[in-house]
Amino acid sequence: QKEVEQNSGPLSVPEGAIASLNCTYSDRVSQSFFWYRQYSGKSPELIMSIYSNGDKEDGRFTAQLNKASQYVSLLIRDSQPSDSATYLCAVRGTGGFKTIFGAGTRLFVKA
Amino acid sequence: EAGVAQSPRYKIIEKRQSVAFWCNPISGHATLYWYQQILGQGPKLLIQFQNNGVVDDSQLPKDRFSAERLKGVDSTLKIQPAKLEDSAVYLCASSFSSVRYNEQFFGPGTRLTVL
Repeated sequence: QKEVEQNSGPLSVPEGAIASLNCTYSDRVSQSFFWYRQYSGKSPELIMSIYSNGDKEDGRFTAQLNKASQYVSLLIRDSQPSDSATYLCAVRGTGGFKTIFGAGTRLFVKA
Repeated sequence: EAGVAQSPRYKIIEKRQSVAFWCNPISGHATLYWYQQILGQGPKLLIQFQNNGVVDDSQLPKDRFSAERLKGVDSTLKIQPAKLEDSAVYLCASSFSSVRYNEQFFGPGTRLTVL
């Protein structure tokens, strides 16, 4: 079982729709969770961090964390073509404080 | 505030040659990371420094890779000798030294091609 799992996609949504990206992780005692956006040929860019169960909103982005289910998600409201990118889920455990990245989900927003 | 700086941006070498990458973290960030990202995969941690000490190098192929962070600021990652499978983007990231809140910021990366 991979430590951090994401659906590779591509996930295709029409402009203006809600894009929902999901991530599961295996280390039950993980404490910190991050979403990064990576455009093709560019480096990852941090867009959200979440540390407690529940929702965290920042503009059009909402991160949701459910530690009991070992599940973290990212919702993008009013999706724009400029949101088309690969979204990486990253999880930091307590053992060694190493951050593990998923392989990413490719999102395509159709104009 | 200046971001994480890396150089070179691109490098093409032949197998068995050596190569070195340089990273300058965000000012004040005590923690520095080197990641390897192969096309289609997420970044994989190679080594993590806290100031100039190594915190984690469990996934660093120590027979060919080495890294140092002298004076707790700049860092250099070296590969010697390179193999075809080392073709990847090498990313440097930095963060404040914090047990829990560890938001990492990435540099632009170095794209390495080994022929």
